[in-house]
Amino acid sequence: ETGVTQSPTHLIKTRGQQVTLRCSSQSGHNTVSWYQQALGQGPQFIFQYYREEENGRGNFPPRFSGLQFPNYSSELNVNALELDDSALYLCASSLLGMSAEAFFGQGTRLTVV
Amino acid sequence: KNEVEQSPQNLTAQEGEFITINCSYSVGISALHWLQQHPGGGIVSLFMLSSGKKKHGRLIATINIQEKHSSLHITASHPRDSAVYICAVDETSGSRLTFGEGTQLTVNP
Repeated sequence: ETGVTQSPTHLIKTRGQQVTLRCSSQSGHNTVSWYQQALGQGPQFIFQYYREEENGRGNFPPRFSGLQFPNYSSELNVNALELDDSALYLCASSLLGMSAEAFFGQGTRLTVV
Repeated sequence: KNEVEQSPQNLTAQEGEFITINCSYSVGISALHWLQQHPGGGIVSLFMLSSGKKKHGRLIATINIQEKHSSLHITASHPRDSAVYICAVDETSGSRLTFGEGTQLTVNP
């Protein structure tokens, strides 16, 4: 067990709805990164949060947004859901700047119908 | 062309066989990670390398920085090793990982 927990584990939403996914980071880590993994593919970087600020973003539209809280836990919000948003969403916590090992949560499986 | 490429995409082995999974990358990196993903989806970190070789149990990971290539070896493979093995690189020391597409390993008894 890594100490990184994500909730919920599974979720079904309707196209056009909004969703919030949550991630608690490993104790002592100050950075949370979010990834989207479509079926049969490797994870793709969405964005990273460091000390409550966005610290880098991948090629995802603005309807993907996030937050990091003072306790370093994080949320991923997706507005106006599309069918292609169906994927496994993974968060990873780490210490920024140290090429430290990243600890992953179990992921949230989002299905958009 | 992907920045991180793995081969093979799929690998089937018999229990006890020696297994090698390869990873090539095209960018400068601060570290390379080997990860394991089981069908439930969760990812477990196996190794983080910036040079040389690391060993943990039956798993060995090597990296050649000059050739931009890494290999993951599994000795005496076992059915419980069946999983997706993913190579990921960290370009910036910022823990922002770029992933390969993974290698699906199946070890038959």
